[in-house]
Amino acid sequence: QKEVEQDPGPLSVPEGAIVSLNCTYSNSAFQYFMWYRQYSRKGPELLMYTYSSGNKEDGRFTAQVDKSSKYISLFIRDSQPSDSATYLCAMGRYQGAQKLVFGQGTRLTINP
Amino acid sequence: DTEVTQTPKHLVMGMTNKKSLKCEQHMGHRAMYWYKQKAKKPPELMFVYSYEKLSINESVPSRFSPECPNSSLLNLHLHALQPEDSALYLCASSLGQDGSYEQYFGPGTRLTVT
Repeated sequence: QKEVEQDPGPLSVPEGAIVSLNCTYSNSAFQYFMWYRQYSRKGPELLMYTYSSGNKEDGRFTAQVDKSSKYISLFIRDSQPSDSATYLCAMGRYQGAQKLVFGQGTRLTINP
Repeated sequence: DTEVTQTPKHLVMGMTNKKSLKCEQHMGHRAMYWYKQKAKKPPELMFVYSYEKLSINESVPSRFSPECPNSSLLNLHLHALQPEDSALYLCASSLGQDGSYEQYFGPGTRLTVT
């Protein structure tokens, strides 16, 4: 079993829809969580990061962490064609080296 | 400014060549990373430098040789690569201190080994 599971998609939704992207994890030692957006042939761009359970909002993006269920989500409101990309969840532990464990990434397409 | 720069953007090299990838950041970050990313896969950690010292080597073949000349620069020296080493090579940096773990990635160098 992988430490982090993420549905690879592809996921295709119409413009303006609310998008929900999810990851589950098995290692309860993970304490910080990040979401990256990666356009084709580009480097990952840090979208959201959080160090605690609960919700964190930034514009159209909301990151949600439920440590008791080992489940994290990224919600995108009013989705735009420019949001079409691969979304990667990543997480790590406070102790030891700063190693991020990534999900497989979800390919998202927003259709005009 | 959360910018990490990488040069070159593209590199084609033969299996007998020696080349280097360069990464630079001016955010005062003290941890720097090299990742390798194959198509449709997540980034795969290769090396971590913390305060200019190598802290993690993820059992990477010796044909990849990292170097951290100072706190802003990170190099990856390449020698006698194989075609399967063709990939996007990403550099990242983070503050390197407890309480701040966000990693910022550069645009990557797309490497093709012929």
